[in-house]
Amino acid sequence: TQLLEQSPQFLSIQEGENLTVYCNSSSVFSSLQWYRQEPGEGPVLLVTVVTGGEVKKLKRLTFQFGDARKDSSLHITAAQPGDTGLYLCAGVGDSGAGSYQLTFGKGTKLSVIP
Amino acid sequence: GAGVSQSPRYKVTKRGQDVALRCDPISGHVSLYWYRQALGQGPEFLTYFNYEAQQDKSGLPNDRFSAERPEGSISTLTIQRTEQRDSAMYRCASSLVGRLAGYNEQFFGPGTRLTVL
Repeated sequence: TQLLEQSPQFLSIQEGENLTVYCNSSSVFSSLQWYRQEPGEGPVLLVTVVTGGEVKKLKRLTFQFGDARKDSSLHITAAQPGDTGLYLCAGVGDSGAGSYQLTFGKGTKLSVIP
Repeated sequence: GAGVSQSPRYKVTKRGQDVALRCDPISGHVSLYWYRQALGQGPEFLTYFNYEAQQDKSGLPNDRFSAERPEGSISTLTIQRTEQRDSAMYRCASSLVGRLAGYNEQFFGPGTRLTVL
């Protein structure tokens, strides 16, 4: 069973601060996705990282995929209240049953205080 | 532009009753996924379809849970003889293709909040 560990589980910061969220696994994934979920809504895809060592930027968000494709990080610069939400990483891989599925981490709940 | 829709949005039932949860994916999406999500946690995979074929049901907790997608579009997740531990948010997602170079985007529905009394 492939497991994804996210840390920290909860994070409360002041507006303007920087933060990093980590996603780690003992398994290799073909790619990894980051989702953001707001209360009462479903997760929405932010980015997919595919290549080991890959770095992708989405405005103030920087995503990195580890060289061994087992871990990833999300760095937010100058956090804003609108960044508040549940951040989920999801590993993309073959379940072994010949199908495709996502394995989600438990998420990091971010609160940005104005 | 319709996204993934689910019905009902809320379902309260008594222990022992059967429930059927419906998912209407984005038109043209080949793959459909069912997840269960606890409050403040990530979604937990239940089962997955490509067209009408159930590709993987390894995440279904036990044989009281079943799912179908008879015409390759709308899907129903059925829970028989519900128990209190079945209470959760059940989410459906769809994607355009099942496998595409190892990644694709899943679009999630709003979920059905199931409460078993």
